[in-house]
Amino acid sequence: EPEVTQTPSHQVTQMGQEVILRCVPISNHLYFYWYRQILGQKVEFLVSFYNNEISEKSEIFDDQFSVERPDGSNFTLKIRSTKLEDSAMYFCASSGDPPLGNEQFFGPGTRLTVL
Amino acid sequence: KNQVEQSPQSLIILEGKNCTLQCNYTVSPFSNLRWYKQDTGRGPVSLTIMTFSENTKSNGRYTATLDADTKQSSLHITASQLSDSASYICVDPDDKIIFGKGTRLHILP
Repeated sequence: EPEVTQTPSHQVTQMGQEVILRCVPISNHLYFYWYRQILGQKVEFLVSFYNNEISEKSEIFDDQFSVERPDGSNFTLKIRSTKLEDSAMYFCASSGDPPLGNEQFFGPGTRLTVL
Repeated sequence: KNQVEQSPQSLIILEGKNCTLQCNYTVSPFSNLRWYKQDTGRGPVSLTIMTFSENTKSNGRYTATLDADTKQSSLHITASQLSDSASYICVDPDDKIIFGKGTRLHILP
């Protein structure tokens, strides 16, 4: 069964460092998403991506964040200068077309720890 | 501002029992409402997608209902199993994709 994969499973970084979180969405999906979940809190939407551009983004997704689909399979989230409060679980998801009617499939997440 | 409120925050029931989880939403306009199951430390998994025209939808032992007039949805779990222990999250997928805080369900043997 196709699934969304994410690497690494756990990333530890120093405050101020750049991190890149990687996702491989399901191969025939066209819509891609990043979410974060701070420990003990609810899942929060960060950004959605379609046709090689951002379609929606939340207030959390400021200039420190960027997304990219560098090739036909990977979807990345970059945090330029990490802050302590960026420590969270980051989930990637993908869905088919149309996005509102189709199920989103989530990856297993990357746990980011900023020291 | 669209909001999704869930109750109860947590629930403990015995294995084999039924339970119902509630979700109130303020989504407008409405396209669909989703229920997810999230095991600890894992990504959410879709259970149901309810459209405006659907009153009820089942997925195995999970049955979701929707009352568009009162803007309430519920998720009913029948004959609970230990593996049902998880967080159940109601989601408004429109625009900024709003997740509820979830109901933490504990099934005791």
